[in-house]
Amino acid sequence: ILNVEQSPQSLHVQEGDSTNFTCSFPSSNFYALHWYRWETAKSPEALFVMTLNGDEKKKGRISATLNTKEGYSYLYIKGSQPEDSATYLCAFGTGANNLFFGTGTRLTVIP
Amino acid sequence: EAQVTQNPRYLITVTGKKLTVTCSQNMNHEYMSWYRQDPGLGLRQIYYSMNVEVTDKGDVPEGYKVSRKEKRNFPLILESPSPNQTSLYFCASSLSGTGDASYEQYFGPGTRLTVT
Repeated sequence: ILNVEQSPQSLHVQEGDSTNFTCSFPSSNFYALHWYRWETAKSPEALFVMTLNGDEKKKGRISATLNTKEGYSYLYIKGSQPEDSATYLCAFGTGANNLFFGTGTRLTVIP
Repeated sequence: EAQVTQNPRYLITVTGKKLTVTCSQNMNHEYMSWYRQDPGLGLRQIYYSMNVEVTDKGDVPEGYKVSRKEKRNFPLILESPSPNQTSLYFCASSLSGTGDASYEQYFGPGTRLTVT
């Protein structure tokens, strides 16, 4: 089992604040890095899949960056809204199509 | 609508009583997988399948069986459930069955299982 760490574990921000969180993963045997958004009582939904060092992806107010050499990815949310409240999961993919998930960052946006 | 479905969504059972959790996807995905989610731990893979009749163990396969007789279905079988299998279970599917981890996974709604 590979170690994927996410920080912080939880985060409270005010509506309108921008925020970011980190996913750390092994820098060897890298194939892909996934970000998922998991709302309470729903199933995780994919935000981004990144495969190349230096990749940057954006979807609306959410963006992500990837550094495979040092083994980290950042997820940014600009101008947080209450509907952004969720747990954000990252997953490290090896070539064997296995994904190793972190424990997630639980974001609460306070109106 | 493209989706992964799981049944049942909630199940309370007793130790030793065999049960099956069904999973079905309508996206013609080759890859399917089962995960369990426990407090304080990330999603952990139980079994996965890269195509029909091809299954393999994930990180925590003990106490579980799977089968993949049809592309769309991937049931999870607990032959003799025990309390330590109380967990939230997710089925997922993805386009690629060739070992390519660069395809996003689509998750089912989850099955909350309690074994007493």
